[in-house]
Amino acid sequence: KAGVTQTPRYLIKTRGQQVTLSCSPISGHRSVSWYQQTPGQGLQFLFEYFSETQRNKGNFPGRFSGRQFSNSRSEMNVSTLELGDSALYLCASTLAPAYSDTQYFGPGTRLTVL
Amino acid sequence: DQQVKQNSPSLSVQEGRISILNCDYTNSMFDYFLWYKKYPAEGPTFLISISSIKDKNEDGRFTVFLNKSAKHLSLHIVPSQPGDSAVYFCAASVGGNNNDMRFGAGTRLTVKP
Repeated sequence: KAGVTQTPRYLIKTRGQQVTLSCSPISGHRSVSWYQQTPGQGLQFLFEYFSETQRNKGNFPGRFSGRQFSNSRSEMNVSTLELGDSALYLCASTLAPAYSDTQYFGPGTRLTVL
Repeated sequence: DQQVKQNSPSLSVQEGRISILNCDYTNSMFDYFLWYKKYPAEGPTFLISISSIKDKNEDGRFTVFLNKSAKHLSLHIVPSQPGDSAVYFCAASVGGNNNDMRFGAGTRLTVKP
């Protein structure tokens, strides 16, 4: 069974631009969560999608948004990029929400904002 | 707000010895705790979990201890192997819900042969 895939793996943008990251969950998984990982901060929860609906959202500004498609693939978008948005963005999939220990992570997208 | 703290950014141990990774939390509502392991260029993988009704959970070489009164948990790896070298994250949540999950900053474990 293929794991969680994220594209692109690396991205370099400049301040003010916007970016879209993609996540394909494990086949059959319907819940996708997004996290931001920065040095010293660990993983911070961005949002969770299930059945094309955002179920939960972390404490991030409105510049961070996401969506989920009918095939459970998810995208997240960051508009008006800031230097502080440089991070590793991870997505994780589960069969259904609230099954933390069966959350499978993708390798992440490394975003660098110059 | 750092509700989950891993105060040691790195730890180095000799192969065969015990590795002890520590994690402290501040939110008394947390009732479910997890440890993840992360290798470079890969996403975190679930390692072991413990709920607040227990004070110990064991899985092979990995044991997690929970001290609720001290709001402290630790991960013991015995014996440590070079393949255990990775970044370890502890995480805490209320009822296992992702929206309430908080992660520590991680501890980089290096196991020397």
